[in-house]
Amino acid sequence: EDQVTQSPEALRLQEGESSSLNCSYTVSGLRGLFWYRQDPGKGPEFLFTLYSAGEEKEKERLKATLTKKESFLHITAPKPEDSATYLCAVQAGAAGNKLTFGGGTRVLVKP
Amino acid sequence: EAGVTQFPSHSVIEKGQTVTLRCDPISGHDNLYWYRRVMGKEIKFLLHFVKESKQDESGMPNNRFLAERTGGTYSTLKVQPAELEDSGVYFCASSPGLTNRYEQYFGPGTRLTVT
Repeated sequence: EDQVTQSPEALRLQEGESSSLNCSYTVSGLRGLFWYRQDPGKGPEFLFTLYSAGEEKEKERLKATLTKKESFLHITAPKPEDSATYLCAVQAGAAGNKLTFGGGTRVLVKP
Repeated sequence: EAGVTQFPSHSVIEKGQTVTLRCDPISGHDNLYWYRRVMGKEIKFLLHFVKESKQDESGMPNNRFLAERTGGTYSTLKVQPAELEDSGVYFCASSPGLTNRYEQYFGPGTRLTVT
């Protein structure tokens, strides 16, 4: 069974204090690893897709990387507006299109 | 381009009643998905439509849940009769068909409370 574990569960940062979120996965035949951002009361907002080990994607202060066992979401010099829950999900080749989600990391950036 | 929309945003019903949730995917997206998050748990897959056909129903919890996508456009998810454990947030997502882009775009969700 596909499994996704995210750590830490919660992260409190000062504005400008860079940090990384971890997503560890166990999946048969990774087709893609997805990062989403979710704000309270809203649906997950797509950020990145990573397809193979060694791949990196960047968007503003966020950078996602992928290895064969885990993915990291690096937040560089975060701002208060980066406060959100960050979700990681995997799509396995044998499991069709469904996404298997981790529990998320709640990030709070204080000014 | 309009995103995925869901209706209602919030529904409160009593145990034993029926509720129907609606999802309108992004225009032109052949793939439509239902997910849900129950309290304290991660988001879980329910089912996947390709156009009007059910591609994968492996996440549907039991036969009290019925999903339809007539005409391959919007979809409904009916819960009948509702039980307390059905409370949670139900998300709909859509993705393009016949491409190598797999990202799914989510709606805002419907919060279902069964009392």
